[in-house]
Amino acid sequence: NAGVMQNPRHLVRRRGQEARLRCSPVKGHSHVYWYRQLPEEGLKFMVYLQKENIIDESGMPKERFSAEFPKEGPSILRIQQVVRGDSAAYFCASSPMDGAYYGYTFGSGTRLTVV
Amino acid sequence: DAKTTQPNSMESNEEEPVHLPCNHSTISGTDYIHWYRQLPSQGPEYVIHGLTSNVNNRMASLAIAEDRKSSTLILHRATLRDAAVYYCILRDSTNAGKSTFGDGTTLTVKP
Repeated sequence: NAGVMQNPRHLVRRRGQEARLRCSPVKGHSHVYWYRQLPEEGLKFMVYLQKENIIDESGMPKERFSAEFPKEGPSILRIQQVVRGDSAAYFCASSPMDGAYYGYTFGSGTRLTVV
Repeated sequence: DAKTTQPNSMESNEEEPVHLPCNHSTISGTDYIHWYRQLPSQGPEYVIHGLTSNVNNRMASLAIAEDRKSSTLILHRATLRDAAVYYCILRDSTNAGKSTFGDGTTLTVKP
């Protein structure tokens, strides 16, 4: 049973380019969460999605960031016109349902470096 | 979100038990207590969760205070592989959605 798959593991982008981070949840999980972790800091919630719906994007920066979780395929976190401050580890988690009874399964993350 | 408070760091000797505390004085009746850990350069890993009763699994035990305002994660015999940052978070069963991770406790295990 594969866990949460994130790719790429490492991504280097020049300032102004776009970054696309992919997350395939655990098979059968329809709830996806994205978290960002800046160097030496804790995890910060970004967005919570279900298939084809954004449920909570209260942690997403207002500009340049977007997320989707289409009916088919992985969830995508897209960062346009990246800046140095976007350098961080981005983690995706999934759960079978939305409910506190279910724990998150996290992926290994994508480490974005903006040069 | 209800907030949790954990010590910044703790040390343990290998093969000894470790008790990692977490305070959550503003916990509501619908909040579950979850614990995760993050090894260096890895994603967080689920450890254990509970609501009111103490819980045991193959990784750890969770002791929840009677008033639920605090909890303790117990690693019965620490190994070097248990060195990680341990996060205690609350998840509302009526509106789980996002969870707020604090800074966690960095556990160092000495051989």
